[in-house]
Order: sequence, then structure tokens, then C-alpha cells
Amino acid sequence: DTAVSQTPKYLVTQMGNDKSIKCEQNLGHDTMYWYKQDSKKFLKIMFSYNNKELIINETVPNRFSPKSPDKAHLNLHINSLELGDSAVYFCASSPGTGLKLFFGSGTQLSVL
Amino acid sequence: TQLLEQSPQFLSIQEGENLTVYCNSSSVFSSLQWYRQEPGEGPVLLVTVVTGGEVKKLKRLTFQFGDARKDSSLHITAAQPGDTGLYLCAGGGTSYGKLTFGQGTILTVHP
Repeated sequence: DTAVSQTPKYLVTQMGNDKSIKCEQNLGHDTMYWYKQDSKKFLKIMFSYNNKELIINETVPNRFSPKSPDKAHLNLHINSLELGDSAVYFCASSPGTGLKLFFGSGTQLSVL
Repeated sequence: TQLLEQSPQFLSIQEGENLTVYCNSSSVFSSLQWYRQEPGEGPVLLVTVVTGGEVKKLKRLTFQFGDARKDSSLHITAAQPGDTGLYLCAGGGTSYGKLTFGQGTILTVHP
């Protein structure tokens, strides 16, 4: 009965490959997010969706494309992976204004 | 661009000691949140403060939001090994649901 679940937990891939990370929340929240945590533990928002509509799109390369098929799911597809994409990616959800975020356990992406 | 400076970056103390972590900015935030993250897991929300000067207590943890809503502090009394983890402050701005995170404080409490 995990609140925010993302898969896979670990992703090891070669440069140039395309990969996807999936996220699902069973909390009934309207808003979902993707955050990136770098090797120094710095967390930065990438995208935010509210009821399947994109509302925040930070300065993220076009190779990153989020997709929200419904308000309980927010997937992240990454094309042409680069070494610098290696990081931990967190999915999160919130009930509305973003004052209370619930994070998934993260996907550690390693690009070789 | 809103920035949050968190200090110290690392803190290693003995069980029973008190500690304070600071979160400072030149920008005003509509809210300030504190999260705790353990290895291999996502951050977990500890508290949200929204009013300048607000103080919230959570057992041995005391959180304060500065009067001008530009800074915050987390004070832990009589730290325990179970308090070990990464503590993150995060400021909420005007953009819906967008949080600006500090760099984090890695706390280690030795038995």
C-alpha cells in the first residue's frame, strides 16, 4: 500500500539509450512532480502536473519528456541519455498547493 | 532565482547533544518546509511553517520561521542516533507547487 511508488529503483544504461521511469500515487492527489537529486544531494524540480496538465516546466533539456495519462500517474521518458543525467530522480505528489509533498523512494539512474 | 543557503553542511555529534540547523535566503518565501531523508529513500515532510515568527514543535524538534519569512531554523534537543539523516529545508514561492530546496545538512548522531 505504498503511497507514491516509482519503478525501477535502479537503472543502469549506456549513453545514447532511451529509458523511462514510471510513477504512480494512490493518495488521490491532484498534483505530481519530478525532482532530480544530484550527487551533492541537491534537489531541483523538473516538472509539475496538476490534473494531467503541465504547470511547471523548469529549464530541462528537451530530451526529458513527462507524460501523465491520468492524475494518478506521471512517467518520465528520457531520450539520448548523457553521462550528466546520472542522478536520483524522485517522483512526488501533493494534495493541491504543494505545501505537503509525498515523495517516492527514488530511481537511481547511472549512465555509463 | 530564489536560493536557500543551509548550514552547516555536515554535523557529527554525540547522543544527548543539542544542535541547530539554519536555512537562510535573501528572498521571501510564502512557506518553509523541513524534510528528513534517509539513505535510499525519498524525503519525508517533518513540518510546514507559513507565518513569519511561527514556531512549531515536534517532540524534540523545534522549527522556527523568521519574522521576515526569509530564514528558518531547526533545533533538536538531546539528539538520538535515530535522528541521523539528511535534513532539507524547502521554500515555497509564488509558483504553484514549486519548492526551492537548500543543499541539505547531513546529521550523524553517535551512540
